[in-house]
Amino acid sequence: NAGVTQTPKFQVLKTGQSMTLQCAQDMNHNSMYWYRQDPGMGLRLIYYSASEGTTDKGEVPNGYNVSRLNKREFSLRLESAAPSQTSVYFCASIGGQKPYEQYFGPGTRLTVT
Amino acid sequence: AQTVTQSQPEMSVQEAETVTLSCTYDTSESDYYLFWYKQPPSRQMILVIRQEAYKQQNATENRFSVNFQKAAKSFSLKISDSQLGDAAMYFCAYRRGSNYKLTFGKGTLLTVNP
Repeated sequence: NAGVTQTPKFQVLKTGQSMTLQCAQDMNHNSMYWYRQDPGMGLRLIYYSASEGTTDKGEVPNGYNVSRLNKREFSLRLESAAPSQTSVYFCASIGGQKPYEQYFGPGTRLTVT
Repeated sequence: AQTVTQSQPEMSVQEAETVTLSCTYDTSESDYYLFWYKQPPSRQMILVIRQEAYKQQNATENRFSVNFQKAAKSFSLKISDSQLGDAAMYFCAYRRGSNYKLTFGKGTLLTVNP
């Protein structure tokens, strides 16, 4: 049981490049989330998927797109990266027998130069 | 919109002593949950403790306990017998009852001095 996995762990992009952050969970959870963490800002919700086939914007969705590929996988795409998107990105999921606890992935540190 | 405020950007404590981290929140909901998460240097987010708003009794998990003051919208975390491994960033978080989205505070960096 790997929990929530994220790839890659680290990435450096140039301004204007695109990339997709991958997230997968093996706990059969319905809901999945993408957060970004910036110094002094805590974690802020980018997008979430309450169930397979649905996605919704969170607090800071601009510049991002998401895809809930299936129940296990929820990807985050940066179409044209900007330095303001330099951050640590966390994926999380919730559901099952512990609906009060979000399980977090290890995070992806993204630097946009 | 719900907001979560952690007024202490940094705190320090001596090993074996007790420290309290503060958190206040703003909501008009009656059904909600509050959480404390720990983030060590490894970056992993670890759930420390949770409190359901409908419960009057304060939650306790080993050396960690909360002081939940619903009317004051205050939710502080007390760490007893502090250990070096408690050194981390601590985040307070809020969740509306039927909605799983979390709103986080900005965090408190806890240093434990030997």
